[in-house]
Amino acid sequence: QTVVTQDPSFSVSPGGTVTLTCGLTSGPVSASHYPSWYQQTPGQAPRPLIYNTDSRSSGVPDRFSGSILGNKAALTITGAQAEDEADYYCMLYVASAIWAFGGGTKLTV
Amino acid sequence: DVQLVESGGGLVLPGGSLKLSCAASGFTFSNYNMNWVRQAPGKGLEWISHISGNSVPKFYADSVKGRFTVSRDNRRNSLFLEMTSLRVEDTAVYYCARGRGTFNFDNWGQGVLVTVSS
Repeated sequence: QTVVTQDPSFSVSPGGTVTLTCGLTSGPVSASHYPSWYQQTPGQAPRPLIYNTDSRSSGVPDRFSGSILGNKAALTITGAQAEDEADYYCMLYVASAIWAFGGGTKLTV
Repeated sequence: DVQLVESGGGLVLPGGSLKLSCAASGFTFSNYNMNWVRQAPGKGLEWISHISGNSVPKFYADSVKGRFTVSRDNRRNSLFLEMTSLRVEDTAVYYCARGRGTFNFDNWGQGVLVTVSS
């Protein structure tokens, strides 16, 4: 069974840059997996950030960007702010009619 | 503004049943795919079901296939999740999420808690 992988935790200093990644146990991630990213703070619903690899959702600051880096999908935060401290989840379309989330990365700023 | 409001959660015994609802407003409901996503306490997100705008096709995660049924009523702008044979491991907050196209869950409800316990 294919599993979507994310680093459990990451830390970044305020103003710094951090890249979170999202992999697949079955092989490389590509644009055909339509990577999307969601931010979740405690007690809140997930907030959409990025879809189709690198498109920003409505109202998302441009310090958030998405890409494919090597064999993984990536979410980069450039100039991290305290309010960016949250859990970040990637989602991949891993097979026909199967969507899968990674386990999430807890980001500390 | 797009709004999604889940309801119907609560405490249910193992083996029991429950039906969740998601009331949609602020957009043309029938034009959009809809999804259910759940989150067990302290755990990550899990996609569990997808239904297209005209109710065909429907898809399910293996973890709920055969036990959960997704449906929608486009006249009432409502999405439903009928859950049967509930297990302790189905305990979670259940979110409905609008699908913009197939691959972008662009709006989420606030979630509803389902607790399966004896």
